[in-house]
Amino acid sequence: QKEVEQNSGPLSVPEGAIASLNCTYSDRVSQSFFWYRQYSGKSPELIMSIYSNGDKEDGRFTAQLNKASQYVSLLIRDSQPSDSATYLCAVNMNYGGSQGNLIFGKGTKLSVKP
Amino acid sequence: ETGVTQTPRHLVMGMTNKKSLKCEQHLGHNAMYWYKQSAKKPLELMFVYNFKEQTENNSVPSRFSPECPNSSHLFLHLHTLQPEDSALYLCASSPRGGPMETQYFGPGTRLLVL
Repeated sequence: QKEVEQNSGPLSVPEGAIASLNCTYSDRVSQSFFWYRQYSGKSPELIMSIYSNGDKEDGRFTAQLNKASQYVSLLIRDSQPSDSATYLCAVNMNYGGSQGNLIFGKGTKLSVKP
Repeated sequence: ETGVTQTPRHLVMGMTNKKSLKCEQHLGHNAMYWYKQSAKKPLELMFVYNFKEQTENNSVPSRFSPECPNSSHLFLHLHTLQPEDSALYLCASSPRGGPMETQYFGPGTRLLVL
């Protein structure tokens, strides 16, 4: 059973702090990793994708991938109240013709306090 | 319209009703997905269509019946549902269903089965 694990939170950080969201996955040969943000009552929207070991930065967001440890994280610098949402980690399945299919974690709920 | 659209946005149905959910994508993609999102559960992949061919049926009960008449449209036909089928149903699309591709989500249909 391929799995993606996230701490469900809630994770509470003060405005301006760094929020750190973590995700582990079970399929050692997964190739692509995604972070989606989902506001309450809305659909998921892509924040970051990462495919290679190391860091990838986009504005206030940094994704980090460590394939050896099967671990991917998302850092949000200078957190804002508008960042309050549930963050979903998704990993591609890596078998047969289903390599584009994604397995999602349950999500981590982030609350940024003003 | 742009992106991925879904109708209706909200649906209440009895267990003996038949209804259909519609998804349309305006992104020129060839892969389309149905997901179910229930409270406190991860997003569950239900069906995948790639170039109008079904490539994934994730052990979904037969009371859910997908249809993909062309690469831009995807339907989910519902009949004799159960109360536990109440959830947010999300449609997504990606260019070719490949492992490095981002999936773009529609706004979802909030379904309540009475």
